[in-house]
Amino acid sequence: EAGVAQSPRYKIIEKRQSVAFWCNPISGHATLYWYQQILGQGPKLLIQFQNNGVVDDSQLPKDRFSAERLKGVDSTLKIQPAKLEDSAVYLCASSLGSGSYEQYFGPGTRLTVT
Amino acid sequence: SQQGEEDPQALSIQEGENATMNCSYKTSINNLQWYRQNSGRGLVHLILIRSNEREKHSGRLRVTLDTSKKSSSLLITASRAADTASYFCATDETGNTGKLIFGQGTTLQVKP
Repeated sequence: EAGVAQSPRYKIIEKRQSVAFWCNPISGHATLYWYQQILGQGPKLLIQFQNNGVVDDSQLPKDRFSAERLKGVDSTLKIQPAKLEDSAVYLCASSLGSGSYEQYFGPGTRLTVT
Repeated sequence: SQQGEEDPQALSIQEGENATMNCSYKTSINNLQWYRQNSGRGLVHLILIRSNEREKHSGRLRVTLDTSKKSSSLLITASRAADTASYFCATDETGNTGKLIFGQGTTLQVKP
């Protein structure tokens, strides 16, 4: 079974530039999550999708971050404009459902904002 | 917001010894999960324990849950160098959307 795919793996941009991350979840997984992990901390949920609908985006900085999951499969996360404090690893995860299901994580995208 | 707090923040042991990590949380939960993260394999699910369970085993892993104290522990027996990683607890809060809230993690180093 193929795992969660993410691209790019690394990205370096200057502040105020824009960046987009892509995620392809495990086939058949209805729930998709985007997390931000700052060095030395645990992952923090940014947004949770159930199929192509948003379930939770309470911690997404909506003035600069946006995410979509078209057709309930792939997802993109965009930051525009980026700030220095956005430097982190962005993790995508998927699960069969939400709640009592294990989440499968992709390798992440390491973003450096200079 | 972070829900779980892991203790200790860092742990260094010799190969063959046991490692115990603790997690405390603040609200009622449906389940608690433990994940491992190392540079080679990213975040990997280890074990899920439901709120009505008190103990669960998986290979060399033993997890306990005490909902009255809002705490959980992860025991790794007969540790190996390959167990070197960061370990995170994550809670699925009651009444929430099923999202997981991760703690800050415990960094485990197992010396050969």
